[in-house]
This record gives sequence, C-alpha cells and structure tokens, in this order.
Amino acid sequence: QKEVEQDPGPLSVPEGAIVSLNCTYSNSAFQYFMWYRQYSRKGPELLMYTYSSGNKEDGRFTAQVDKSSKYISLFIRDSQPSDSATYLCAMRLGFGGGATNKLIFGTGTLLAVQP
Amino acid sequence: DGGITQSPKYLFRKEGQNVTLSCEQNLNHDAMYWYRQDPGQGLRLIYYSQIVNDFQKGDIAEGYSVSREKKESFPLTVTSAQKNPTAFYLCASSIRHDNSPLHFGNGTRLTVT
Repeated sequence: QKEVEQDPGPLSVPEGAIVSLNCTYSNSAFQYFMWYRQYSRKGPELLMYTYSSGNKEDGRFTAQVDKSSKYISLFIRDSQPSDSATYLCAMRLGFGGGATNKLIFGTGTLLAVQP
Repeated sequence: DGGITQSPKYLFRKEGQNVTLSCEQNLNHDAMYWYRQDPGQGLRLIYYSQIVNDFQKGDIAEGYSVSREKKESFPLTVTSAQKNPTAFYLCASSIRHDNSPLHFGNGTRLTVT
C-alpha cells in the first residue's frame, strides 16, 4: 500500500463547476498537508498549505483535512479553463531531521476544465 | 524576483555519458532537494541537503551524485550507472528541512539515447 493514494483521473468538468480532488494516506503522524498545481512541462506550484485538521480558504480554493479519516481534499469553486493542470497532494511529518521528514507526494490528478 | 532556476530546460545525452543538471536558488533557503518525476509514479526523492556541505540520499539515489558547496547551488550529476535516466528532474528548496513547504523550479527534461 502506498503511503499516499490519489486518483489519477483524468477528471473533466465544465467551466464553472465545483471540483473536488482527494487524497488518502496511511501514516497518522503526518501533520502538514499541501496541494500543488503543475502545468504541463512546468514545476509544481504551491497552492495551499495547512497544518493538522480543519479547513483553509484562499480565493476559489478550499483545502480540507480530516485527520481522523486520513483524508484530505481540495475544492475549486467556479472552475476555469486556466485551472486545467495536474494537482498533487503532499504531506510530511514536520519534525525531525533526516529522511523520515521527507515530503511524500500523491501521484497527481489530471484536471481538464472544458470551456 | 526570488525563485529557483533550473538549466537547461531540455538536455539530450548519449548512453554512457555523465551529465550535470544545474539548480540555483536566491530564496536564501537552507534546504534543497532533487526529485525525479515519471508518468504514473509521482515525485521520487533522489537527494536532499539540509545545509551547505551536507547532503543525504533519498529513495532512489543509486546512479546519481550531488554537491552542496554553496547555499545557492545544488547540482545533480546523472552518472552512467543510472539504469533509466530519461525523466523529468525537479529541484526544490525550503526554508529549512522541517515543516516548511517546498518551492520548485521548472524542471529539466533529460533524454538519454
């Protein structure tokens, strides 16, 4: 079993739809959760960064963490064609040096927003 | 503007040749990382460095080498010992190797034939 599971998609939605992207994880010690957006042939760009359980909102984006279920989500409201990209979830322990504190990534979900 | 610069964007090499990928950051970050991205496999950690003159192996270090002589620079050498070197290579940095998020460069696409 992978430490982080993410549906690879592709996910195709019409412009203006609400998009829900999800990841599950197995290590209950993870405390810091991130979402990255990656356009084709570019590096990942940090979208959201959250600590522990709860919600965080930034414009059209909302990140949600449910540590009891080991489940994180990214919601995109009023989706735009420019949101078409691969979305990567990532998480880390946040403490301790060494490889145990490395950032663990999901495999990414490819999103296409149709105009 | 602060950021991470990777060069070149595309790199072509013949099998058996070593090749060095450049990564420079002007974010004043202590920690730097190299990842490899392959379709369907996500990002895999090759090497990381928490501070100048220090680096550690990640999950797939075999066939790669790094150096960290300056805070700003973390070059990656792909050696001829790396069995499947063709991939998209991403360099990243963070303030420290703790709970800080990573910031990425725009990658180098290496093709070995």
